[in-house]
Amino acid sequence: TQLLEQSPQFLSIQEGENLTVYCNSSSVFSSLQWYRQEPGEGPVLLVTVVTGGEVKKLKRLTFQFGDARKDSSLHITAAQPGDTGLYLCAGTTSNTGKLIFGQGTTLQVKP
Amino acid sequence: KAGVTQTPRYLIKTRGQQVTLSCSPISGHRSVSWYQQTPGQGLQFLFEYFSETQRNKGNFPGRFSGRQFSNSRSEMNVSTLELGDSALYLCASSEGEPSSGNTIYFGEGSWLTVV
Repeated sequence: TQLLEQSPQFLSIQEGENLTVYCNSSSVFSSLQWYRQEPGEGPVLLVTVVTGGEVKKLKRLTFQFGDARKDSSLHITAAQPGDTGLYLCAGTTSNTGKLIFGQGTTLQVKP
Repeated sequence: KAGVTQTPRYLIKTRGQQVTLSCSPISGHRSVSWYQQTPGQGLQFLFEYFSETQRNKGNFPGRFSGRQFSNSRSEMNVSTLELGDSALYLCASSEGEPSSGNTIYFGEGSWLTVV
């Protein structure tokens, strides 16, 4: 059973557009991470959020953890071709302590 | 500080053979976990080790095994390879157990092709 639903699965946009990727679950997470993966490489950690309602910014990327710690979003402002890649969310559930991954969002930013 | 190092990066094996992949975690990290990534299935958890003990295991057949050494380095082995084992195998390390909310850091992966 997939406990962490990511949407959309695929996204193709033009350079300069904004986008939001969502990560939703019915489970509560003690922490949640976002990773970006380029083809043929391992995922690279972007951010870890641990507090409900937390907002973190990394240049043009804004990450938000839901108040109830069941969901998270990643917003990219003025996307650039260099943002192209697979974005993965991963969370540690509070009740089982297991780390689970979303299926990922493949983002393509066209110049 | 060096990141997670995986060897080999690329390898091609024949059906029925066995393969061993190696992972050196970030210095000071005691937990190592392994994942299989394929286009169709995404990231699938294989197993997790902490202080040489297997803490968690995913839903993979017994052909997949692993171990962790006293220096925290880890190896995973796949025996009697099948075509479906072709995938990117990722190793990740963390200071403590991921179940305790510790962030995991990935290596670049080992690309295995089974022909």
